Amino acid sequence: AQSVTQPDIHITVSEGASLELRCNYSYGATPYLFWYVQSPGQGLQLLLKYFSGDTLVQGIKGFEAEFKRSQSSFNLRKPSVHWSDAAEYFCAAYTGTASKLTFGTGTRLQVTL
Amino acid sequence: GAGVSQSPSNKVTEKGKDVELRCDPISGHTALYWYRQRLGQGLEFLIYFQGNSAPDKSGLPSDRFSAERTGESVSTLTIQRTQQEDSAVYLCASSFRTGEVYGYTFGSGTRLTVV
Repeated sequence: AQSVTQPDIHITVSEGASLELRCNYSYGATPYLFWYVQSPGQGLQLLLKYFSGDTLVQGIKGFEAEFKRSQSSFNLRKPSVHWSDAAEYFCAAYTGTASKLTFGTGTRLQVTL
Repeated sequence: GAGVSQSPSNKVTEKGKDVELRCDPISGHTALYWYRQRLGQGLEFLIYFQGNSAPDKSGLPSDRFSAERTGESVSTLTIQRTQQEDSAVYLCASSFRTGEVYGYTFGSGTRLTVV
């Protein structure tokens, strides 16, 4: 079945440290891939998306993600985390056959000062 | 409007009552989606509207759930005879066409608590 997996439920990093959030997908063909962030009490905001081409995509707020076909992964990274990055992060995938985004279960990021 | 608007932002209801949740999509967005987010869980797809096509209801968890959309405007999600397991945040999103290029724009959600 088509699915998106985020193996880490909760991650804690120190402010200024680097961050990597993992995302794996299981689809027959490469889907379109997205990362969203959800701050407390807010809706989801799109960070970045990958459709094709360059496997390293840049997003807002200093985030980037790398698509690796061989690993079926689309991990989100940030070189230096800020306290305001504390939020829930969702990876999502879209295929034309489904016509809707399928979300992972999310990773909650905590940032310590 | 400038964003996706959902109302009410919070709703507390007694078990067995019916509730209606409203979503105002971004003007010009033809696609509209409803998702449910239970505490500590990911987003669960409920229903999808695209223009005047028949909606994709494949995610509705039971016949107590229904949704309507008039043209390309407001959508209403109705839950009849609410149960405690219906407690969740209900998120609405809209997109231009089917969202494959642009992604979705989400509302802030309606937090439903069934007591």
